This record gives sequence, C-alpha cells and structure tokens, in this order.
Amino acid sequence: ETGVTQTPRHLVMGMTNKKSLKCEQHLGHNAMYWYKQSAKKPLELMFVYNFKEQTENNSVPSRFSPECPNSSHLFLHLHTLQPEDSALYLCASSQGTGADTQYFGPGTRLTVL
Amino acid sequence: QKEVEQDPGPLSVPEGAIVSLNCTYSNSAFQYFMWYRQYSRKGPELLMYTYSSGNKEDGRFTAQVDKSSKYISLFIRDSQPSDSATYLCAMSAPRNDMRFGAGTRLTVKP
Repeated sequence: ETGVTQTPRHLVMGMTNKKSLKCEQHLGHNAMYWYKQSAKKPLELMFVYNFKEQTENNSVPSRFSPECPNSSHLFLHLHTLQPEDSALYLCASSQGTGADTQYFGPGTRLTVL
Repeated sequence: QKEVEQDPGPLSVPEGAIVSLNCTYSNSAFQYFMWYRQYSRKGPELLMYTYSSGNKEDGRFTAQVDKSSKYISLFIRDSQPSDSATYLCAMSAPRNDMRFGAGTRLTVKP
C-alpha cells in the first residue's frame, strides 16, 4: 500500500471552498490516474497522465482540475464543488497505460456540504 | 447497455463455502481481464490477471474467462472471513483504458 500514497485521507468542504488532493507514487511508474468511486457504481476514470502529459479527460466538469508536475506526483484541485461530488477519490499508477496493472492508493473520502 | 455489468450484492456466505463472482461485458474487443479486491478504507489491489479466454488458478482463487459468452468469473474455494471485501472486475482492450464493474461486496461469516 505504501507504493501509492494519498493525502488527505478524509476531507470535508463547503461548496465555495478550494482544496487540493495529493497523490504520490514510489514505484517508478510513468502513468497516473484519478478515479471517482461512488457507492454501487463502477469506478469512473477522470484523468490519465502518461509521462506527465494528460492523455485523457473523461468529460470531467471544470470544477475538477488536475496537475501533474512530474511522473511521481499528481494533484486534483477542487473548486466550487457540488454535494453530488461527494465520493472516494482514488489515485492509481501503472508502468504504462492500457492493460498495465494499476496500483491504487487508499483514496481520499470527500464530503461536500 | 453498460460496458461492464457486475451485481453489487451484497453477498453473504458461511466460512468454507465456495464463492462465485461474475461480470458480463458488451465490448468484444476486451482481451485483458482482471479482478481487484478492495478492503474497507483501502484502495483496490490486483488479485488475478488473465489474458483472453481460459482459466487461471492461484491458491484458493480461480479466474475464468468465456469470451464467446462475454462472461468472466472469480471462484473462491474454502472462503475465509479474511476474504470479506469488495471484488471488482476490470477489463481492457489493447491500448485502451481499463473499464471497471461496480464491485460485489462479499461477507464471509465465521
């Protein structure tokens, strides 16, 4: 589990707040991902970065803004969120994209009031 | 039709039972099939990885892929309370992103 770390583990924010989620991988991987996990729904892929370049943005609202300064770090900046954005946000990394095994962090449990 | 369908359960079985978890899919291009296990308050971890059709066994776990029926299964033999978790199926086509099922929540009662 220490291969991919996420902070904070829990976050409660109001709809007008700005906050950031942080992910760090210690596996030497080239690809990093953000997923949203809601109860009884499939994992929703939000963003993919490969070699620091964003390769996918799955029609995610602009209130979510990713940043990947290097291959080891990934951020998700949050701004003017809605209550329906409350979910578990998971970060993952893999050697390459496609079918390469993804290694997940423990997630950030986000609650938007 | 959803790309990947998985019954979210919950599924409750007694210790020692054989557990069968399943997913169906619609995209015939999927060739890589995975099962992830997610414990409470943890991220998913890879349990089984299968390429194309066939069976793969690892200890008490067996993964089966039937591409003709677009159906994959995970069997757990001699289930233990420590197997209590959510099991997610995942699959991808070559050079495409992975698609996940909703996950099935399993409880194994002592």
